[in-house]
Amino acid sequence: DAGVTQSPTHLIKTRGQQVTLRCSPISGHKSVSWYQQVLGQGPQFIFQYYEKEERGRGNFPDRFSARQFPNYSSELNVNALLLGDSALYLCASSSEGQGETQYFGPGTRLLVL
Amino acid sequence: QKEVEQNSGPLSVPEGAIASLNCTYSDRGSQSFFWYRQYSGKSPELIMFIYSNGDKEDGRFTAQLNKASQYVSLLIRDSQPSDSATYLCAVKGTGGSYIPTFGRGTSLIVHP
Repeated sequence: DAGVTQSPTHLIKTRGQQVTLRCSPISGHKSVSWYQQVLGQGPQFIFQYYEKEERGRGNFPDRFSARQFPNYSSELNVNALLLGDSALYLCASSSEGQGETQYFGPGTRLLVL
Repeated sequence: QKEVEQNSGPLSVPEGAIASLNCTYSDRGSQSFFWYRQYSGKSPELIMFIYSNGDKEDGRFTAQLNKASQYVSLLIRDSQPSDSATYLCAVKGTGGSYIPTFGRGTSLIVHP
């Protein structure tokens, strides 16, 4: 079975631009979470979606938004990019919205110039 | 604010030794505990999870949980150079909290 997939793998943008990152969960998983990881830090929670509803939101500005589609795939959008948004963006899927183990995708490395 | 603390390291051990990685957490109501391995430039990979006090073994890995002390550890026996990576501790609470909190990770170096 395929694991969590993310696209694109790498992305270079300039300040002020907008970016959309995509994630497909493991087959049968209905929950998708997004994390931001900067160098030397652990993943920081951005959003969690379960059955297309937002289940949680981390301490990120409104420039960050996400949604989940009927097939449980998800998109993370970031508007008005800042240099500080440069990071590895991770998507994780789990089989339930609560209590279940999360499995990570390969990540999207975003560089903002 | 729920916190998960890990020594950033690096922890350096010789090949064949036991590596001991530690993690403390602030939320006394935490119920689920996870260890992930992350190679440089890659995404985290689940190694083990533990829910109950005591030890849980899986191959060369043993997770140890002490809820009274709010402490979880990962032991790696017969360490290999391929174990060199950053090890992330993640803790999930109760009360409808679906989101794990991650520590910053401990860098492990296993030298031949």
